Amino acid sequence: ETGVTQTPRHLVMGMTNKKSLKCEQHLGHNAMYWYKQSAKKPLELMFVYNFKEQTENNSVPSRFSPECPNSSHLFLHLHTLQPEDSALYLCASSHQTGEAFFGQGTRLTVV
Amino acid sequence: DQQVKQNSPSLSVQEGRISILNCDYTNSMFDYFLWYKKYPAEGPTFLISISSIKDKNEDGRFTVFLNKSAKHLSLHIVPSQPGDSAVYFCAASTGTASKLTFGTGTRLQVTL
Repeated sequence: ETGVTQTPRHLVMGMTNKKSLKCEQHLGHNAMYWYKQSAKKPLELMFVYNFKEQTENNSVPSRFSPECPNSSHLFLHLHTLQPEDSALYLCASSHQTGEAFFGQGTRLTVV
Repeated sequence: DQQVKQNSPSLSVQEGRISILNCDYTNSMFDYFLWYKKYPAEGPTFLISISSIKDKNEDGRFTVFLNKSAKHLSLHIVPSQPGDSAVYFCAASTGTASKLTFGTGTRLQVTL
């Protein structure tokens, strides 16, 4: 139990589908993040939210659309993805300073 | 251009011996460094960190060393245990510990 829960754990979607990844944190943190880990690549920061406001978009294509309705929940809406978007998507949360706590990730396969 | 590099993709160490995992960085603005451990099918878990004002931080069997002039840090695990077998990621940040730049990871295998 990490305090950061991601659903679903696995997702297979077609290139024309629309799906959403969900992240919930129970740690009282005010910052939440989406990271992407592709095969043989380091984890890459995608989005940062502080107090529900997006503070960073790391040049992520618009087919990825984040949503942060409150400090405890973070979504990543997916539409018209490409096979190269297949990866492990990790959510994390933290206080303003301090280490990030990660969820278990969603393994996404785009077919 | 990778700002955080872990040049050894894998390392095998005998149980009881010391494991040394290395990490190099290029961005001199990085001032906070972290090590994360990752088991298969799980997210990374925080292990230990060090601020750039220190050159060593110790927590039980884990010690992180920072050499700012060489832009190099290392994680020492002693004694190594089979449960330490995992992928270890080095990460760095500027100003805040949470916008992290990660290395590609080193897979540690601790053998009996």
